[in-house]
Amino acid sequence: AAGVIQSPRHLIKEKRETATLKCYPIPRHDTVYWYQQGPGQDPQFLISFYEKMQSDKGSIPDRFSAQQFSDYHSELNMSSLELGDSALYFCASSLGSAGSSGNTIYFGEGSWLTVV
Amino acid sequence: KNQVEQSPQSLIILEGKNCTLQCNYTVSPFSNLRWYKQDTGRGPVSLTIMTFSENTKSNGRYTATLDADTKQSSLHITASQLSDSASYICVVSPAHSGGYNKLIFGAGTRLAVHP
Repeated sequence: AAGVIQSPRHLIKEKRETATLKCYPIPRHDTVYWYQQGPGQDPQFLISFYEKMQSDKGSIPDRFSAQQFSDYHSELNMSSLELGDSALYFCASSLGSAGSSGNTIYFGEGSWLTVV
Repeated sequence: KNQVEQSPQSLIILEGKNCTLQCNYTVSPFSNLRWYKQDTGRGPVSLTIMTFSENTKSNGRYTATLDADTKQSSLHITASQLSDSASYICVVSPAHSGGYNKLIFGAGTRLAVHP
């Protein structure tokens, strides 16, 4: 079965550069979530989209932006990268919201971003 | 203070033994509580989902319990296998407007199953 696809899997950028992460949700899923997991830390919610509209916002820095496109894929754009942005970035998708029980949320394998 | 706290932080057990992981949360009101298994460097994989009205949910050798009054949940793993070695994460979804798509993660319990 198709899963959540993230690209690239690994990315190395220098400070102050820009990076873009892509997420392709499971077909027919209408909700996409982005999470940031620093080394040894639990995932932190960044932002989510439902039906191509931003639905919730978490601890996403102003330097980051995201959107969900007409084909439901999502992109996370990160500018003016800092060393502290080095983390594993997860995308997840579900049919319906996380607040609705029974909606399994499927995570991608993550994109490793290293800022040097 | 984290809204979702898990214990123990890490646990070592022998293959074939049972274990129980704990999750205490303060998220209120909450919609549902999920347990995920996460291998190092991989995406979390869903094990169970429970609403506030459910007391227990099983998925193979995994059984989750929930006490909404005391805001506690546990994940019991029976007849552990080497492949159970992973982090087990308790995740809570708030039940209020503006939070329907937020998941609040615990720090996880790192389980190591030894032969």
